[in-house]
Amino acid sequence: DAGITQSPRHKVTETGTPVTLRCHQTENHRYMYWYRQDPGHGLRLIHYSYGVKDTDKGEVSDGYSVSRSKTEDFLLTLESATSSQTSVYFCAISGSGVSGANVLTFGAGSRLTVL
Amino acid sequence: GEDVEQSLFLSVREGDSSVINCTYTDSSSTYLYWYKQEPGAGLQLLTYIFSNMDMKQDQRLTVLLNKKDKHLSLRIADTQTGDSAIYFCAERNNAGNNRKLIWGLGTSLAVNP
Repeated sequence: DAGITQSPRHKVTETGTPVTLRCHQTENHRYMYWYRQDPGHGLRLIHYSYGVKDTDKGEVSDGYSVSRSKTEDFLLTLESATSSQTSVYFCAISGSGVSGANVLTFGAGSRLTVL
Repeated sequence: GEDVEQSLFLSVREGDSSVINCTYTDSSSTYLYWYKQEPGAGLQLLTYIFSNMDMKQDQRLTVLLNKKDKHLSLRIADTQTGDSAIYFCAERNNAGNNRKLIWGLGTSLAVNP
């Protein structure tokens, strides 16, 4: 997806290990989001950022932390991965938008498997 | 709390029209969106509608909004096999500085040749 990349795209790890997912954007958008997608649960917001060093919790933030030290990068960290965190993680970005519509642009996703 | 509901599956024949429905509960919604997700990919915006509109048309796509019933629909004319995907409805309100969207679970559209 133009302007937004996620890494790694796939990762397999073991329970208890730390994991960091990276979202990088070249659009200079102010807002960045981390979602997880699971069957039967749709998309759930983990954390979001409204500027450098400005972040807030979403609906499923337990077990996750984020950091945004510069506009283009938003990191999602699982301090000690658990099997319940096996999921597909999506990063999204949005600008302020003249219309205020807050249209999200999504990355291609990072598939994480915790054994 | 706020909720968005969609039927989970829809199957249509190629060339027919598809109608995907969505209901929401938040009467202060300002924008409503339709996103499409193809297998193994992220979501991409199809279209959105502002709450003071009741219809929006964009090529094969028609969005209808009934604010009184809190009902949103997406009609895809002349559905093609390439339209097979999951379609997500989402809504946003302007409470405070809330830029978070409320998502439906997605409708999986299967287009049969």
